[in-house]
Amino acid sequence: GAGVSQSPSNKVTEKGKDVELRCDPISGHTALYWYRQSLGQGLEFLIYFQGNSAPDKSGLPSDRFSAERTGGSVSTLTIQRTQQEDSAVYLCASSFGGAGRDTQYFGPGTRLTVL
Amino acid sequence: RKEVEQDPGPFNVPEGATVAFNCTYSNSASQSFFWYRQDCRKEPKLLMSVYSSGNEDGRFTAQLNRASQYISLLIRDSKLSDSATYLCVVNGGDYKLSFGAGTTVTVRA
Repeated sequence: GAGVSQSPSNKVTEKGKDVELRCDPISGHTALYWYRQSLGQGLEFLIYFQGNSAPDKSGLPSDRFSAERTGGSVSTLTIQRTQQEDSAVYLCASSFGGAGRDTQYFGPGTRLTVL
Repeated sequence: RKEVEQDPGPFNVPEGATVAFNCTYSNSASQSFFWYRQDCRKEPKLLMSVYSSGNEDGRFTAQLNRASQYISLLIRDSKLSDSATYLCVVNGGDYKLSFGAGTTVTVRA
């Protein structure tokens, strides 16, 4: 079956511009996660959606970052007024349930470069 | 202190060799443990869960030492296709996973 998909695969933008990153989770998965992976670093948790519950935004690094999940499926991560330190690979994952033991399936990521 | 720490390597081994590496975690209340594999410029994929009694999956063996708060991964009879970065992943009891920065393994012919 189809896995997690993300778009675009690569995004190059200028400092100060806004960007939107999209994630399509596996159908039927109720939990959706966004992570950021910088070069040589571990994955950094950004935000978590579970069903209709309020999202856990505790990992968002600043108020320039926001995310939404419409209809319990597709999610969009928006970065406003991008900075060079925002350059990273943004990974989306989904899992069937929201327990930490549930396997998270990752999308291929969006590689963001801020010039 | 990072929640999950790994030796970044790289571990360069010949085909057929055995390679093993550990990771340590700081949260003593951690409940679930995993090894993920990440190929260059690809997404992480679950390799195996780690159980308290230790477990094997083919050539891969994972061990958990709760007292010392570390987990290990051992790869026997290494294949060229085992070349990847191995991510140690720990769950503290809720939905969040903490990822190590990864250990790079390179298997040479």
